[in-house]
Amino acid sequence: GAVVSQHPSRVICKSGTSVKIECRSLDFQATTMFWYRQFPKQSLMLMATSNEGSKATYEQGVEKDKFLINHASLTLSTLTVTSAHPEDSSFYICSAIGLAGDYEQYFGPGTRLTVT
Amino acid sequence: KQEVTQIPAALSVPEGENLVLNCSFTDSAIYNLQWFRQDPGKGLTSLLLIQSSQREQTSGRLNASLDKSSGRSTLYIAASQPGDSATYLCALPYGGATNKLIFGTGTLLAVQP
Repeated sequence: GAVVSQHPSRVICKSGTSVKIECRSLDFQATTMFWYRQFPKQSLMLMATSNEGSKATYEQGVEKDKFLINHASLTLSTLTVTSAHPEDSSFYICSAIGLAGDYEQYFGPGTRLTVT
Repeated sequence: KQEVTQIPAALSVPEGENLVLNCSFTDSAIYNLQWFRQDPGKGLTSLLLIQSSQREQTSGRLNASLDKSSGRSTLYIAASQPGDSATYLCALPYGGATNKLIFGTGTLLAVQP
């Protein structure tokens, strides 16, 4: 149980375009999902907290207009990188917490974004 | 502000050796601490979660300890195998919330056959 998927696993896009990444909890309902970014040889940095039915909360330094987050259902959150630039190239990972209030986070397999 | 450091940054050991990975944190007021494994280009696999009231957790060849007063946690891997090669990350909640995680800097482990 507690499986989180991400789609796509890998995406290459041109500078200036937008790309959407999906995060799904497959076998549980997630009230809260998190989006992280990981640059090469670095640890994960939290970008934003996504709560179902409400606006996402962004960490300091993360542009909310650039990284649009939608959490429309208890099993799906999306991250859209708008007007992507090469410096947005990174590994994006989502995680989810279940309804039971279990504080353990379940992580997706990540999405490798390359902006050319 | 909570800071999480892992030492060593990289470690190479021969197969069969027992090893210890270290995680240090500056603010001892934590709810829990979690150890993860990350394979190259992959997501995270949760290994162990220790609640603040616990001193250790065990799962197979893994044993994680927690000493809040000294701001330290260790992950002990017994009889290491090449399949244990990965990056190991510790993480703990921060900012007064119980579910926003701050991650350590990671230890890259290579177990040589």
